[in-house]
Amino acid sequence: KNEVEQSPQNLTAQEGEFITINCSYSVGISALHWLQQHPGGGIVSLFMLSSGKKKHGRLIATINIQEKHSSLHITASHPRDSAVYICAVRAGNQFYFGTGTSLTVIP
Amino acid sequence: NAGVTQTPKFQVLKTGQSMTLQCAQDMNHEYMSWYRQDPGMGLRLIHYSVGAGITDQGEVPNGYNVSRSTTEDFPLRLLSAAPSQTSVYFCASSYETGGLYGYTFGSGTRLTVV
Repeated sequence: KNEVEQSPQNLTAQEGEFITINCSYSVGISALHWLQQHPGGGIVSLFMLSSGKKKHGRLIATINIQEKHSSLHITASHPRDSAVYICAVRAGNQFYFGTGTSLTVIP
Repeated sequence: NAGVTQTPKFQVLKTGQSMTLQCAQDMNHEYMSWYRQDPGMGLRLIHYSVGAGITDQGEVPNGYNVSRSTTEDFPLRLLSAAPSQTSVYFCASSYETGGLYGYTFGSGTRLTVV
């Protein structure tokens, strides 16, 4: 049983396309995080959400606490956005991670 | 540069050997944690610490020990390495324990146990 489910697992897009990655979770959470893992392996924290919506540049993250669902949107996608995007939720002092969405943006 | 420093970046061990993965942060973060990442699986929490002198188990603690004698350092010890511990290990830290701030990850340690 996975506490965090992401979809899709893999995603290929043309440069400029609008991209959506979804995350559903089954536990009560204090916060939800979106992480980006580059091909070299490094992990960067993109967003922390406890409610509503956040925007940073071309990235937008939303969360619906009642529906236990979050989405990560990328507008005007670019090849440098190619990475694995990971959804993670904080439940107490435990952290649960999705298996990631591998995004490839083609020029 | 401020951040989380993990060493070594790569390590090969023989079954039964012991070693310590080092993790240090210079941001005065209270919360530190260790994860392993395996193909086809999400990151899994091994151990975490909410402050100096306080540690607790995560989802997959067996085979690993930790200690937190200072705020800065959170080493992960493998007492008797097994092939099942072949993985990529990440250390991460955060300013506080409630998950309300972003996390900073180390660059990872790729461990192979033969």
